[in-house]
Amino acid sequence: GNSVTQMEGPVTLSEEAFLTINCTYTATGYPSLFWYVQYPGEGLQLLLKATKADDKGSNKGFEATYRKETTSFHLEKGSVQVSDSAVYFCALKFGANNLFFGTGTRLTVIP
Amino acid sequence: EAEVAQSPRYKITEKSQAVAFWCDPISGHATLYWYRQILGQGPELLVQFQDESVVDDSQLPKDRFSAERLKGVDSTLKIQPAELGDSAMYLCASSLLSGLDEQYFGPGTRLTVT
Repeated sequence: GNSVTQMEGPVTLSEEAFLTINCTYTATGYPSLFWYVQYPGEGLQLLLKATKADDKGSNKGFEATYRKETTSFHLEKGSVQVSDSAVYFCALKFGANNLFFGTGTRLTVIP
Repeated sequence: EAEVAQSPRYKITEKSQAVAFWCDPISGHATLYWYRQILGQGPELLVQFQDESVVDDSQLPKDRFSAERLKGVDSTLKIQPAELGDSAMYLCASSLLSGLDEQYFGPGTRLTVT
């Protein structure tokens, strides 16, 4: 079956530190991959996505590359800010079918 | 900016009682989703509507959960009777035409069953 495994949190970083949140997936075939972010008190928002192998999704300084050979889609940011504190979810999807989410990783950035 | 609206934001109910949640998707969005997010886990799809029709309710516990979208606009998710294990965040999302489009999520309803 389909599944997404995320790096367990919580993750606490100082402002301007480098961020990596690991995500690997198990799927039959080649899904589209997503990162969603959930800020406190808000709904999930799409952060970035990639639809095929070697695609790089990017947004707001975050990046993730679809690696077919390692079935991974790790989220990175070169310099985090306090405003990046949130819960990050990795997810996969086949076509018009529903999203499969990972368990989420809570990030706290301290000044 | 258009948003998905949900109410109530918080609900506390006793087990065996009935509870209902409401969702108003972004205007014009044909596809509507209900997800359940148990604390510490990712959201899991309960039901997906295309206009007023259910297209996927394979994970909906139909003995106690029901969902409707009578006019193809807003939707109601009901639990009767509620059980302690139903305590979770219930998220609604919508997308423009189909499951191929980006999903926009509401803020959720946090349910606590005592």
